[in-house]
Amino acid sequence: GNSVTQMEGPVTLSEEAFLTINCTYTATGYPSLFWYVQYPGEGLQLLLKATKADDKGSNKGFEATYRKETTSFHLEKGSVQVSDSAVYFCALSGSGAGSYQLTFGKGTKLSVIP
Amino acid sequence: EPEVTQTPSHQVTQMGQEVILRCVPISNHLYFYWYRQILGQKVEFLVSFYNNEISEKSEIFDDQFSVERPDGSNFTLKIRSTKLEDSAMYFCASRGDRRQETQYFGPGTRLLVL
Repeated sequence: GNSVTQMEGPVTLSEEAFLTINCTYTATGYPSLFWYVQYPGEGLQLLLKATKADDKGSNKGFEATYRKETTSFHLEKGSVQVSDSAVYFCALSGSGAGSYQLTFGKGTKLSVIP
Repeated sequence: EPEVTQTPSHQVTQMGQEVILRCVPISNHLYFYWYRQILGQKVEFLVSFYNNEISEKSEIFDDQFSVERPDGSNFTLKIRSTKLEDSAMYFCASRGDRRQETQYFGPGTRLLVL
């Protein structure tokens, strides 16, 4: 079945540091890949997505590239801010016909300190 | 911007009691989902719903669970006889149409079973 493995947290960075959160996946077919973010006390928000190999998703300074050869979708940001403190979830949606249910990683908690 | 809403935000119940969690998906969306997240664990798929019927469900979604779209706006998850292990955050999500893969999540209902 499908599975997502992401870097265990928590991750603590100073403001303006470089961020990488690793995510690898196992799936049949050609899934779409997502990063969701959960700010304290809020629901899951879509951060970015990529629907096919070599696509790069980007939003709010975050980027992730769909790498089929390494089955990875690592999240990066060049300079984090305190407001980026949140839990980040990597996810994939099942390919082909079906309900496109999402399979999530465990989440990585990021804390950015001034 | 349209959003998914969920009520209540928190619910405390006694073991064996029935609970109904409510969701209002984004208007004009056609696909609806429930996920749950037990504290410290992954977000897990429970069920998907389309065209007034369940399209897919996970092993978690046993006979104690049911979903319903009682009118044109609400989407509910009922747990008939709650167990301690049902304590979790429950997220509702909706998706536009077959071509759109992105799921939009509500803020969640935190359920505590005592």
